[in-house]
Amino acid sequence: DADVTQTPRNRITKTGKRIMLECSQTKGHDRMYWYRQDPGLGLRLIYYSFDVKDINKGEISDGYSVSRQAQAKFSLSLESAIPNQTALYFCATSVLGGADEQFFGPGTRLTVL
Amino acid sequence: KNQVEQSPQSLIILEGKNCTLQCNYTVSPFSNLRWYKQDTGRGPVSLTIMTFSENTKSNGRYTATLDADTKQSSLHITASQLSDSASYICVVSGSSSNTGKLIFGQGTTLQVKP
Repeated sequence: DADVTQTPRNRITKTGKRIMLECSQTKGHDRMYWYRQDPGLGLRLIYYSFDVKDINKGEISDGYSVSRQAQAKFSLSLESAIPNQTALYFCATSVLGGADEQFFGPGTRLTVL
Repeated sequence: KNQVEQSPQSLIILEGKNCTLQCNYTVSPFSNLRWYKQDTGRGPVSLTIMTFSENTKSNGRYTATLDADTKQSSLHITASQLSDSASYICVVSGSSSNTGKLIFGQGTTLQVKP
């Protein structure tokens, strides 16, 4: 089945460490997104990419960077993790003309100690 | 400021009962509104989409309504089941230019008890 996968699913790290979260999709979608979800808050957009050569900041991009290695792969990096980056991270995909429906991966739970 | 507010924040009901979740938005321009269901440990999945001209849409036991004049939507769940226990997220697309950027509500957590 066409799907969106994220690795790792869970990660515990220490303050100051560099972390990379990876997202792969087999849906053939051009558009990919990274969100974070915190308790009591809605999903917030970190970065998005409409094709391999296109990278755009979302509302909370500070402290994060991304790389779109291929149409199917979109990675999120935390260069120097801090405790308030502890959250649930979701990758999503969509297609132009798809009425804005986004397809989400299963999430990565990141804990920064 | 574009915002989506959901109520209640959480809800507990008994299996077999009905419930209604609310969503108010201040997003303009408006393109569409979706309700997503997020099971614990999983990503959100779209349940239904409402466009400006639609008032009601059903998906099985889920019925969504939209009042574009008052900028309110509701999601009604009929004859609830244990598997309905999840977070329900209202998401508004605020642009007709298909940029893909969405405004998310904070979600309503529903717990269905036997």
